[in-house]
Amino acid sequence: AQSVTQLDSHVSVSEGTPVLLRCNYSSSYSPSLFWYVQHPNKGLQLLLKYTSAATLVKGINGFEAEFKKSETSFHLTKPSAHMSDAAEYFCVVSGYTGRRALTFGSGTRLQVQP
Amino acid sequence: SQTIHQWPATLVQPVGSPLSLECTVEGTSNPNLYWYRQAAGRGLQLLFYSVGIGQISSEVPQNLSASRPQDRQFILSSKKLLLSDSGFYLCAWSPRGGGNEQFFGPGTRLTVL
Repeated sequence: AQSVTQLDSHVSVSEGTPVLLRCNYSSSYSPSLFWYVQHPNKGLQLLLKYTSAATLVKGINGFEAEFKKSETSFHLTKPSAHMSDAAEYFCVVSGYTGRRALTFGSGTRLQVQP
Repeated sequence: SQTIHQWPATLVQPVGSPLSLECTVEGTSNPNLYWYRQAAGRGLQLLFYSVGIGQISSEVPQNLSASRPQDRQFILSSKKLLLSDSGFYLCAWSPRGGGNEQFFGPGTRLTVL
């Protein structure tokens, strides 16, 4: 079994300040972990993925995430928020179950204030 | 490169009417295909997945059905829509034998009145 908990449903930051979106996971398998972003009324875009290589993963648009097995965490960060980062972010875990199932977190809505 | 299309982009249908949403993938062969629903303010719920033509697995019992008549075509249907079918429907694909990530289409906003 696998699950994902996104610890904040809403996060608000000022433009130019750091972003931290928190995610904890549990998985019976050696997990693959992903962050997706969804802008209003759009599909989901893959930001980055962890697949047991480097624990610090760099993604698109300046985002990165660090896999910490001891803390079962995969937090998403960005040094400086931009107005265009305002969106919904989903932490996702995958463990091979024969159909490559993805388990989605409930999402974190990021607001960026000018 | 691979692209995934969904249509229509938006749809408003009366209760009791039929439904057909289409998803097609270009630039890859033998993909795994998925239908998700995203209700307002909620996460994604996997509805159906398919590993090949005519092979459909349902995740939750409901008013919907899916079909895969061609390798890169995935259709979501209903004979009679319910109010609770309203939501944002997303199609996704993943490479057969590849990584676990899935790639999503632009979605269809369905409103049942």
